[in-house]
Amino acid sequence: GAVVSQHPSWVICKSGTSVKIECRSLDFQATTMFWYRQFPKQSLMLMATSNEGSKATYEQGVEKDKFLINHASLTLSTLTVTSAHPEDSSFYICSAIGLAGNYNEQFFGPGTRLTVL
Amino acid sequence: AQSVTQLGSHVSVSEGALVLLRCNYSSSVPPYLFWYVQYPNQGLQLLLKYTTGATLVKGINGFEAEFKKSETSFHLTKPSAHMSDAAEYFCAVAEGNTPLVFGKGTRLSVIA
Repeated sequence: GAVVSQHPSWVICKSGTSVKIECRSLDFQATTMFWYRQFPKQSLMLMATSNEGSKATYEQGVEKDKFLINHASLTLSTLTVTSAHPEDSSFYICSAIGLAGNYNEQFFGPGTRLTVL
Repeated sequence: AQSVTQLGSHVSVSEGALVLLRCNYSSSVPPYLFWYVQYPNQGLQLLLKYTTGATLVKGINGFEAEFKKSETSFHLTKPSAHMSDAAEYFCAVAEGNTPLVFGKGTRLSVIA
């Protein structure tokens, strides 16, 4: 089946530093990937849509200069949290669109837990 | 725009009892509907999905859901709850290639 990986699975960083999270589709090509954010005991909220070879589309209220997204290849999208602060601590989950039968399905990565001290 | 409403942020059942988690959706086109389970500190696991065809969908771990267009519902059921079913459950809707829109989630507790 379609597998999506994320790296790292967890990261702890100091306030003010930048953190890069990778999302890879391991056995399929994904022209579109999505980045979600989940606060404790809450649901997933879409942050942005990442399209290979073009600029990401951000949801309202998401700072594009703070959350840099690069979709440089058909199997890799990266999310960089710049100048991270404690309020950026969250669970970040990516998904990639792949073909499942006769329709396009989203396959989710295992998530990355970011803790900013 | 599509949306999902999950009735009940917390459901508690006895082990062996019926599990019923409610989900209603709003969509302007025929939707794709999903149920995911999330265990603490883990990612999402797909339980089942409805795209087209049979409206009663069977998933993993004995769960099933029925798409009812007239009621705009996609409730999740399991005949007999196990302790291992205790987790957070999310209903989600998509229209074609649009990103999934998730409900707020329902936490299922199973009492021995």
